Amino acid sequence: DVKVTQSSRYLVKRTGEKVFLECVQDMDHENMFWYRQDPGLGLRLIYFSYDVKMKEKGDIPEGYSVSREKKERFSLILESASTNQTSMYLCASSPTGTYTQYFGPGTRLTVL
Amino acid sequence: EDKVVQSPLSLVVHEGDTVTLNCSYEVTNFRSLLWYKQEKKAPTFLFMLTSSGIEKKSGRLSSILDKKELFSILNITATQTGDSAIYLCAVEAGGTSYGKLTFGQGTILTVHP
Repeated sequence: DVKVTQSSRYLVKRTGEKVFLECVQDMDHENMFWYRQDPGLGLRLIYFSYDVKMKEKGDIPEGYSVSREKKERFSLILESASTNQTSMYLCASSPTGTYTQYFGPGTRLTVL
Repeated sequence: EDKVVQSPLSLVVHEGDTVTLNCSYEVTNFRSLLWYKQEKKAPTFLFMLTSSGIEKKSGRLSSILDKKELFSILNITATQTGDSAIYLCAVEAGGTSYGKLTFGQGTILTVHP
């Protein structure tokens, strides 16, 4: 079974703090993704990575950066958290050539 | 810009009812359409559709794609309380092989006993 894990289920941070969200997958997938999910807006792609050290912007990259130093790990960074970044963050991975993405359990981030 | 729209946004039914969820899309270079079910945690994969008119079935769930009219439906027959979830539609488009998906807003289905 594919397993995608995220470092925290719930996180509360203050405005201006630097926030790291970690995602690890154990199936040697090339592609990894970060989404945020907000009511009425569905899942929106923030960044994705198709290989180690490779990254591409998704639909809403502003205010975020990512890091992929190892194949199994994809980190989402909020350099200076703001209240409008309060959301559910979902990480996903997929092997190259398929479009079935496997999701982690999500991190509910609240920025006060 | 690729666009995926789901309807209705929410639906409340009673056990035993049949429901139909809709997903329409406007994308460049369509490749596939996927349905996911999301309960309390992460979305789980249900179906992938690439060809028009071919129904995919899994138990009480079925789905079909119409590439001419640019939509898909997800049917659930004899609904159960365990079907309560958010159902997400996603479309893969474009020339990349990276598996990038565009998601709809989701349909929140609530099944009452």
